[in-house]
Order: sequence, then structure tokens, then C-alpha cells
Amino acid sequence: QVQLQESGPGLVKPSQTLSLTCTVSGGSISGYYWSWIRQPPGKGLEWIGYISYSGNARYNSLLRSRVTIPVDMSKNQISLRLSSVTAADTAVYYCARESQMMGKTGEFAQWGQGTLVTVSS
Amino acid sequence: QSALTQPPSASGSPGQSVTISCTGTSSDVGGFNFVSWYQQHPGKAPKLIVYEVSKRPSGVPDRFSGSKSGNTASLTVSGLQAEDEADYYCNSYAGSNNYVVFGGGTKLTVL
Repeated sequence: QVQLQESGPGLVKPSQTLSLTCTVSGGSISGYYWSWIRQPPGKGLEWIGYISYSGNARYNSLLRSRVTIPVDMSKNQISLRLSSVTAADTAVYYCARESQMMGKTGEFAQWGQGTLVTVSS
Repeated sequence: QSALTQPPSASGSPGQSVTISCTGTSSDVGGFNFVSWYQQHPGKAPKLIVYEVSKRPSGVPDRFSGSKSGNTASLTVSGLQAEDEADYYCNSYAGSNNYVVFGGGTKLTVL
């Protein structure tokens, strides 16, 4: 069973860059699309963007200017970079895998446990 | 990207059935058969319980069922149990431009 584990700083200062890593174990990154999804405290889910094993990426139009999602096949890791953060970016950040191999339908069968990132000085 | 519309809350007594709606547009829910539902308990990650409108992943009880009519999808929980008390989110594929949109979530209370 594939497992996803997010890691990174829990506190980021305003205007800085939020950087998180999702390590995939029990399976390969190959063949799937991987997304980052966030959830502000007490609020709903927001899709941030996806990356494929081949490096094809797409981002939420509202965040596109600030987001990059690199993939490192050698380490079986997907990362998230969100620049110029503000308090509005405070959220639990999840990495998630599509339910179907080669599928790109926005249906997420595997999720990491999530990591809380607080933006504060 | 506009969120899909869900009622903020729903409730039912043990053994009863509850239906949660998820309303979108012809650009998302109505345009594709890629609607999924997630169950989220406090402090936990969301769990996929329905995909492709009405399919259940292995291990999800058949008490959970999904359907769609026009621009509105629905999740029905039959034979309510105490452990069904959670937040439920829908989402839908929204095409190559917007990709995916989520509903605002529904808090299900088992009375």
C-alpha cells in the first residue's frame, strides 16, 4: 500500500517561500498524477496544483503566479514551493495521488496525513 | 474557480438515511462523470468514499452511495452509524483549464 508523508517547516514568515516535500513509499511516482491540496483551519479543501511523473504540471489559476511543484524521481518525492506567502496561506497542506494510473480526473485515492503550515512573523 | 455548493450541515438518527447534495454547473458536475466524495474525521486526512459519481473504493461500505442528476450530485448514507459523523466533501473534474473544484463541505451529525 502506497504511503505519502508530507514534511517541512511548520512556521513561515510573511513574504517568504513555503517549501514542503511529499515522500512516497511503498510504490513509485511513475504512472500517476500527484496533487497538493490545502485546507485552512476550519475551512474547506482547495486544490493547489498537480505534477505528473513526467514533469507535466498544472496549477490553480488563483495561485499560478506563486506556485511550483517539482518532482524528484530519484528520491520518489514531490515538492511544493509557494512564494510571497501571507496569513491567508496558513493551512494544512496535503499531498494526494490520483485514483487511476495515468488518470487525470481529480479523484484522489491516496492522501498524506497533512502538515500544518502557519504564516506568521 | 467557484466552489461547488453543499449544505453546511446535515443530520439523522442512527439507522436513518441522509442525502447530501453538491451543486455545480455544466462546466464541472454536469459536464463530466468524475464526481467524487470524501469523508473527513477531525484531525484526519480526507478519505475517498465515492468516485466516478457512484463507484465505491474497496473497503467502503455499501451504505455509501452516489448519484448525479444534471448539475447536482448527491451522496446518500444509509443505515446511519455513529462513526459516520464527519465532514463530507464533494469534488468534480472541471476540464483541462480549471482541473478540479471542491465543495465547501457538509458536517454530518448523527443524533
